[in-house]
Amino acid sequence: NAGVTQTPKFQVLKTGQSMTLQCAQDMNHEYMSWYRQDPGMGLRLIHYSVGAGITDQGEVPNGYNVSRSTTEDFPLRLLSAAPSQTSVYFCASSYQSGSSYNEQFFGPGTRLTVL
Amino acid sequence: AQKITQTQPGMFVQEKEAVTLDCTYDTSDPSYGLFWYKQPSSGEMIFLIYQGSYDQQNATEGRYSLNFQKARKSANLVISASQLGDSAMYFCAMRAPNFGNEKLTFGTGTRLTIIP
Repeated sequence: NAGVTQTPKFQVLKTGQSMTLQCAQDMNHEYMSWYRQDPGMGLRLIHYSVGAGITDQGEVPNGYNVSRSTTEDFPLRLLSAAPSQTSVYFCASSYQSGSSYNEQFFGPGTRLTVL
Repeated sequence: AQKITQTQPGMFVQEKEAVTLDCTYDTSDPSYGLFWYKQPSSGEMIFLIYQGSYDQQNATEGRYSLNFQKARKSANLVISASQLGDSAMYFCAMRAPNFGNEKLTFGTGTRLTIIP
């Protein structure tokens, strides 16, 4: 049981390049999400998905695309990287729950630098 | 809208002392959950403790306890007998039950440094 995995751990891009951050989970969680962490700002939700084929925007979605073709995978795409997207990206997953208690499991993070 | 405020950007505490990390929140939802996460220098997010808005007692998990004052909308994390390994960033987070969006709203974090 690997939990939530993310690749790569580190990435350096030039402005305008595109790339995909990979996220996978093996816990059969319906819910998956992407957060970005910036100094002094905590974690902010980029996009989320409640199941295969269903995605929605979080609070900072601009510049990012997502899709979810399987329960296990939830890749995050940067179509044209900008220096403002320099950040640490976390993928998280959990079960769907109507309860306020629902532990989210986080991946190890991807540190992205855009030059 | 939900908001989490952590007013202590950094704290220095002597080893073996107790430490309280502050967290205040704002929400109009009557039902909500409060979470604390630890982020060591290695970067991963580690879940520490949870408190539900309807829980009658303060949550405890080993050396961690949550001082939940609902009327004041505060959910402070208390670490007893601090250890060097407690040095890390600590985040307070909240969610309201919303089937279809498990979103957590995070505070800006507190960097805790334990001094030997």
